Amino acid sequence: DIQMTQSPSSLSASVGDRVTITCQASQDISNYLNWYQQKPGKAPKLLIYDASNLETGVPSRFSGSGSGTDFTFTISSLQPEDIATYYCQPYDNPIFTFGPGTKVHIK
Amino acid sequence: QVQLQESGPGLVKPSETLSLTCAVSGYSISSGYYWGWIRQPPGKGLEWIGSIYHSGSTYYNPSLKSRVTISVDTSKNHFSLKLSSVTAADTAVYYCARHWGGGSGRLDYWGQGTLVTVSS
Repeated sequence: DIQMTQSPSSLSASVGDRVTITCQASQDISNYLNWYQQKPGKAPKLLIYDASNLETGVPSRFSGSGSGTDFTFTISSLQPEDIATYYCQPYDNPIFTFGPGTKVHIK
Repeated sequence: QVQLQESGPGLVKPSETLSLTCAVSGYSISSGYYWGWIRQPPGKGLEWIGSIYHSGSTYYNPSLKSRVTISVDTSKNHFSLKLSSVTAADTAVYYCARHWGGGSGRLDYWGQGTLVTVSS
């Protein structure tokens, strides 16, 4: 099974700050990684797929990069509505796993 | 617009079988894609349970495989989850979702989730 290390587990930042979250896979997963946003009481929402592609309708302040084992998710300018938990999700067809999540707070 | 809606009992007794259905609208299951179940215990992270293709091929999380059955009914455009011999550890919000089979298998449409509590 692919193990994902996601860091930090939580962060606090100010509105307008650049926020970066990283995920590291236990083995090479090429670009088979997605990022989700989950707000309290809601289902996860796909933001980035295949490591760096922005899902339709998602604001451009969200971005992703990386391949192989190291991946980065960035919010270029944090907005109040971005308060949520973010999960990375690698895919080792047909097995899914999820990173442990990063909770983002406003400072 | 693709929509998914979970339904089923919110309370299940220990040792019994949890049964949920996911109704899909706005897309015909028989047209393709994979259809999966994911759960989230209160205050914890996400866990993939398993998925099914419209043809009926199934894929399960190895840690749950012995207790899970996922089936599809294309005539009703829904798919179902059965989890047997439940314990309190199976208490969670259960989500259904559509996902791609290739690439990163992205889960692009999700249901709103349904809380299932295991308790006597």
